[in-house]
Amino acid sequence: GENVEQHPSTLSVQEGDSAVIKCTYSDSASNYFPWYKQELGKRPQLIIDIRSNVGEKKDQRIAVTLNKTAKHFSLHITETQPEDSAVYFCAATDNYGQNFVFGPGTRLSVLP
Amino acid sequence: EAGVAQSPRYKIIEKRQSVAFWCNPISGHATLYWYQQILGQGPKLLIQFQNNGVVDDSQLPKDRFSAERLKGVDSTLKIQPAKLEDSAVYLCASSAQGNQPQHFGDGTRLSIL
Repeated sequence: GENVEQHPSTLSVQEGDSAVIKCTYSDSASNYFPWYKQELGKRPQLIIDIRSNVGEKKDQRIAVTLNKTAKHFSLHITETQPEDSAVYFCAATDNYGQNFVFGPGTRLSVLP
Repeated sequence: EAGVAQSPRYKIIEKRQSVAFWCNPISGHATLYWYQQILGQGPKLLIQFQNNGVVDDSQLPKDRFSAERLKGVDSTLKIQPAKLEDSAVYLCASSAQGNQPQHFGDGTRLSIL
């Protein structure tokens, strides 16, 4: 089955700096890669996603890149703000939505 | 659009007791998921339904956990008997189809004494 690894497990950045979180996956059949943000005690919320027919996707300060050959994808947050502090999870699934697996999460702290 | 509804929000039981959780997905969403999230970890998929059929239950501890989605809409997840290691947040999510964005409910925080 699918295995998703995520690094780093914790990340601290100064406000205004950029943050990058990387994930690798094992199943070459995976082709949908969402990212979720979870604040303490709250539900995970989708912030951006990418499919395998696209190499990069951007939404304001957030971008995701995908390298299918190397089986890794990354989340980039620019101009970080204190409200970006949360746990971020990557995930992967195949074209039928099966084998849906979350990464272990990255705790991002944006320091004022 | 109403979100995914879950109840109860909190539940405290003793080990070996039974407990049930309820989920009502977003209207029209064919796919429904139950996840277990242990503190400090990512959500772990327990079971995935497509309408009223099971797509994936490979990580569901079937000796104690059961789930159903009889009419293809709302769903219940049951644990019987509960163990200490079942203490976690149980999240329900739904999506229009299997490889579409998932929308999560607020979860049920289960504590086993």
